[in-house]
Amino acid sequence: QKEVEQDPGPLSVPEGAIVSLNCTYSNSAFQYFMWYRQYSRKGPELLMYTYSSGNKEDGRFTAQVDKSSKYISLFIRDSQPSDSATYLCAMSEENYGQNFVFGPGTRLSVLP
Amino acid sequence: GAVVSQHPSWVICKSGTSVKIECRSLDFQATTMFWYRQFPKQSLMLMATSNEGSKATYEQGVEKDKFLINHASLTLSTLTVTSAHPEDSSFYICSVLLGIAKNIQYFGAGTRLSVL
Repeated sequence: QKEVEQDPGPLSVPEGAIVSLNCTYSNSAFQYFMWYRQYSRKGPELLMYTYSSGNKEDGRFTAQVDKSSKYISLFIRDSQPSDSATYLCAMSEENYGQNFVFGPGTRLSVLP
Repeated sequence: GAVVSQHPSWVICKSGTSVKIECRSLDFQATTMFWYRQFPKQSLMLMATSNEGSKATYEQGVEKDKFLINHASLTLSTLTVTSAHPEDSSFYICSVLLGIAKNIQYFGAGTRLSVL
């Protein structure tokens, strides 16, 4: 079993749809949870980060962490064509970036 | 604003030449930087961890003599691809650790290397 698994995609949705992106993990020591967005031929851009369990909202984006289920989600409301990118989940342990792990990424296409 | 500056964004070189990629942290000190490689439509592959003032730690399978990393200051790490070959053509990305507990990575814009 891989340390972090992510829905493979690719995922295509119409403009305005609600998008749900998910990752599961096996290491219970992970405390920091992040979502990155990567456009083609660009470096990943940090979208959201959450410490431990709970929800965090930023505009059209909501990140959820359920540590009891080892499951994290990113929701995108009112999706736009500009949201078309690859989304990577990432997580790390408590101690200064030890064991920083990325998911393989989900390619999202939002169709106008 | 940008946290990390990476340069150049795109480089084309002849086979056998060496190419240097710079990664700078902006307005803060970065004792740890990471170098990644990414092939088209694939995820990030960690190559090495760069530590200021000490030798880099390379991941298994990454040739340290091929990919030279220097982290001589708290704001600059460089990756030199020595004697580049077409199979070294890839997208190279650096990142730094930030956050209160330094548990969040911020990435540079990446460097596209094309070796002819």
